Amino acid sequence: NAGVMQNPRHLVRRRGQEARLRCSPMKGHSHVYWYRQLPEEGLKFMVYLQKENIIDESGMPKERFSAEFPKEGPSILRIQQVVRGDSAAYFCASSPTSGTGVGAFFGQGTRLTVV
Amino acid sequence: RKEVEQDPGPFNVPEGATVAFNCTYSNSASQSFFWYRQDCRKEPKLLMSVYSSGNEDGRFTAQLNRASQYISLLIRDSKLSDSATYLCVPHTGRRALTFGSGTRLQVQP
Repeated sequence: NAGVMQNPRHLVRRRGQEARLRCSPMKGHSHVYWYRQLPEEGLKFMVYLQKENIIDESGMPKERFSAEFPKEGPSILRIQQVVRGDSAAYFCASSPTSGTGVGAFFGQGTRLTVV
Repeated sequence: RKEVEQDPGPFNVPEGATVAFNCTYSNSASQSFFWYRQDCRKEPKLLMSVYSSGNEDGRFTAQLNRASQYISLLIRDSKLSDSATYLCVPHTGRRALTFGSGTRLQVQP
């Protein structure tokens, strides 16, 4: 049973370009979470999705950022018109349910560098 | 008030030492509790769940005090490989897990 798969592992974008980060949850998991981590800082929640639904996007910046988790295929975090401040590690996690008692499992992250 | 508060450390301990971390949480509706560890520049990894009765997994013991809203993690016989940041995570369900900044542990030879 493969773990949470994120790709690419490293992504370099020039200012103004678009970044697309992909996350395939663990088999049997229907809940996906995205987090951002700046160097020397903690994980900041961005968005929580179920298949075809955004459950909670309270941590997502209002502009330039969007996320989806289609019926088929991976979850995508999209950042339009990237700026230097978007440089960070982006982690995706998945869980089988939203209920309590079950933790979430993380992918290895995508390290975005904006030049 | 922050959802989760932990002493950021670092805790510098020699190999073989016993070290304990505490964490307080603000949301009394939290129903599940977890400890994660995160190595430098790596993803967080689920270390253990925390049950009301307390639980042990090898050298690691977790305790929960609902009345005081704090969670603890005890590591016995510390190894060099235990060096990491330890994150306490309370969960209310129907929401994403919220992470604090964690407590950094450095085990020294």
